[in-house]
Amino acid sequence: DVKVTQSSRYLVKRTGEKVFLECVQDMDHENMFWYRQDPGLGLRLIYFSYDVKMKEKGDIPEGYSVSREKKERFSLILESASTNQTSMYLCASIETGAGNEKLFFGSGTQLSVL
Amino acid sequence: SQKIEQNSEALNIQEGKTATLTCNYTNYSPAYLQWYRQDPGRGPVFLLLIRENEKEKRKERLKVTFDTTLKQSLFHITASQPADSATYLCAPKGGSQGNLIFGKGTKLSVKP
Repeated sequence: DVKVTQSSRYLVKRTGEKVFLECVQDMDHENMFWYRQDPGLGLRLIYFSYDVKMKEKGDIPEGYSVSREKKERFSLILESASTNQTSMYLCASIETGAGNEKLFFGSGTQLSVL
Repeated sequence: SQKIEQNSEALNIQEGKTATLTCNYTNYSPAYLQWYRQDPGRGPVFLLLIRENEKEKRKERLKVTFDTTLKQSLFHITASQPADSATYLCAPKGGSQGNLIFGKGTKLSVKP
């Protein structure tokens, strides 16, 4: 089974802190994604990466950056955490081939910024 | 702009009945549409993919339809069970870079 692992289930950080959210997938997928999920707003794409050292902005990249140094690892960075970044963060990788694309999600990291 | 609407935030049904969830999209034509299930505190899990040239797709008790004229997909769970209680997300392929766009989800509760 594909496994996408997010390093923390719960995180509490202070305003202004630099925050790293880590994600690792074990299926050699090329494309990886970071979403945030908020009540009433659904899943929104922050950044994605289609190859090592490559990154693309999603719909809400402001206040975030990403790093993809190895194929299996995709990190989300909050340069200076703010309270409006309190959210559930979900990492995903995508299986492609034969036109069948499906996302595999991690269990999520619930981040609280105080 | 591209817009996805899942008509109901919540749907309550009795065990054994068929649950029908609706997903409407506007301002574009997705090549395919996916449905995901999400349990509280967990990431979404892929259920089904249906392409624009497919009218209907089935998997066990699940059935998905895709009407490109109405710009709508219906997701059915037959003989529903309490274990089917979850939030269901529809996700048409689209977006400015061809990524999936997720609806806000419908929370299904199946009462015994």
